[in-house]
Amino acid sequence: ETGVTQTPRHLVMGMTNKKSLKCEQHLGHNAMYWYKQSAKKPLELMFVYSLEERVENNSVPSRFSPECPNSSHLFLHLHTLQPEDSALYLCASSQDPAYSTEAFFGQGTRLTVV
Amino acid sequence: GEDVEQSLFLSVREGDSSVINCTYTDSSSTYLYWYKQEPGAGLQLLTYIFSNMDMKQDQRLTVLLNKKDKHLSLRIADTQTGDSAIYFCAESMGSNYQLIWGAGTKLIIKP
Repeated sequence: ETGVTQTPRHLVMGMTNKKSLKCEQHLGHNAMYWYKQSAKKPLELMFVYSLEERVENNSVPSRFSPECPNSSHLFLHLHTLQPEDSALYLCASSQDPAYSTEAFFGQGTRLTVV
Repeated sequence: GEDVEQSLFLSVREGDSSVINCTYTDSSSTYLYWYKQEPGAGLQLLTYIFSNMDMKQDQRLTVLLNKKDKHLSLRIADTQTGDSAIYFCAESMGSNYQLIWGAGTKLIIKP
């Protein structure tokens, strides 16, 4: 077990569907992150949560909606996505946002929007 | 704006040295990082270098930083099949926890 677990590993959804990505960490970390990894593009930081409060939202379209009910769980709710949203979505956690560089990453959810 | 650039692919023979290069534009970077992403796995921090250093060595890994040219490299000695992965270069400005990432270099090992 890596410490940061993401489900599902793969997801195919239509543009009118609503789905959620789940991330769970049992490392006692206080900060959690969502990243988008597209082929041949730099990793994009989407959201940062610290102690369940959102501290960063990098101009992400509203069709992506994060939720952090507690410090161990992070969700990314998806609705009316576009084909260009197809990517690997990575969740990460760290002790504190100041230590984001030492974050532990999950294996990612490979999302395909059809 | 800030930019980090890397070649997308590097192919080396098993046992040779691999040198993965990265260039960045922001001269105020305080730390520069190398992350490794193995197939089907998340990213893991491999090594990092503080901007006032020129070189850092850790077993088979050597990081070289040329601040004047804003060039960072990662050398892997005696490359093994287990080194097959995508290697990401990233920079931070210290006070801002947001990293600026490169697109990653896929290291391909030939037998």
